[in-house]
Amino acid sequence: IAGITQAPTSQILAAGRRMTLRCTQDMRHNAMYWYRQDLGLGLRLIHYSNTAGTTGKGEVPDGYSVSRANTDDFPLTLASAVPSQTSVYFCASRGNGEPGYTFGSGTRLTVV
Amino acid sequence: GENVEQHPSTLSVQEGDSAVIKCTYSDSASNYFPWYKQELGKGPQLIIDIRSNVGEKKDQRIAVTLNKTAKHFSLHITETQPEDSAVYFCAASRRDSNYQLIWGAGTKLIIKP
Repeated sequence: IAGITQAPTSQILAAGRRMTLRCTQDMRHNAMYWYRQDLGLGLRLIHYSNTAGTTGKGEVPDGYSVSRANTDDFPLTLASAVPSQTSVYFCASRGNGEPGYTFGSGTRLTVV
Repeated sequence: GENVEQHPSTLSVQEGDSAVIKCTYSDSASNYFPWYKQELGKGPQLIIDIRSNVGEKKDQRIAVTLNKTAKHFSLHITETQPEDSAVYFCAASRRDSNYQLIWGAGTKLIIKP
């Protein structure tokens, strides 16, 4: 089934640990995005990539890094997790020339 | 930069009645306005969108209207059903910014049986 796969679905992480959230899409979309959604709030853009090999900073990039080595994968890394990074993380992609986003099911991350 | 305001934050309607959610935007160059529905525990899903060269678009029970002069757009849901209960987000974007979305804060729609 075409779409976006995020892993893990949930994770409890000790503060100070490094963590990589995985995102893979099979739609050959050029653009990919990482959002965080805190409880009861809206979506905030962390990082984005308009095409493989390029990345950009969103609204809340501090403490996060991304890479885009190929079209399909867009991992998000927390170098040293802090409790304020407790959130639900959504990966999204957008087709070439198309404006609509496709979202994954999210990763629920708790930093303790 | 662009700013999108969304109202109300919570909307409770009787099953079968209509629901209207409104958004305003600030950047007159914005030319694409999508609406996303987020069910509990899931990612947002695009349900309808409208471009700036169109005033209204309809898809079965949902419709979106756009007033470019006033810089506001609205989501209309008719004959509401329990499965319409969700959080709805509006957004605005521009083609020349690679359609990066500026999001509204969301509206929690509750359908009362």
